[in-house]
Amino acid sequence: GAVVSQHPSWVICKSGTSVKIECRSLDFQATTMFWYRQFPKQSLMLMATSNEGSKATYEQGVEKDKFLINHASLTLSTLTVTSAHPEDSSFYICSASSQDRANYGYTFGSGTRLTVV
Amino acid sequence: GENVEQHPSTLSVQEGDSAVIKCTYSDSASNYFPWYKQELGKRPQLIIDIRSNVGEKKDQRIAVTLNKTAKHFSLHITETQPEDSAVYFCAASIGAGFQKLVFGTGTRLLVSP
Repeated sequence: GAVVSQHPSWVICKSGTSVKIECRSLDFQATTMFWYRQFPKQSLMLMATSNEGSKATYEQGVEKDKFLINHASLTLSTLTVTSAHPEDSSFYICSASSQDRANYGYTFGSGTRLTVV
Repeated sequence: GENVEQHPSTLSVQEGDSAVIKCTYSDSASNYFPWYKQELGKRPQLIIDIRSNVGEKKDQRIAVTLNKTAKHFSLHITETQPEDSAVYFCAASIGAGFQKLVFGTGTRLLVSP
């Protein structure tokens, strides 16, 4: 089945530094990548949608200059949290979708737990 | 904006009982409704989904029903087992093309032996 590899699985960084999270589709072309954030005991909140080769579309309230998304190829999308602060600590998870898939399912990465200290 | 409401937030049942989780959505254009099971610290796992042209779908102990007129859909789990304990999320597709998913608030299901 379709697999999305997400790295790192967890990261601890100092306040003010930047962190990059990668999602790779291993056996299909991820035409669209969705990035979510999930705080403890809460739901998945969509942050942005990116299509390969295009600028990401951000949800209301999500700072595009703080959460940089790159989707330069059909198999790789990255999320960079710039100038991270403790309130950015969360579980970040990507979800890939492909137009090649007959029933456009959504394949989730394994998530990245970010802790900003 | 688009909204998906989910109830109940917690659900405790005895092993063997049935569990029902309900969701309502606001966007009449939504046409894809997946249900996910998420264990602590893990990715959401798709357990069943339904499209707008179908009213009901069943897969062994799990079934989903959809009422497009009322804009609500439900997850039914029969003969629950302790390993069914997890957080369950409903979602609805929003927008055209490869739609984004909006998730419900989640239901913590606890199945006691």
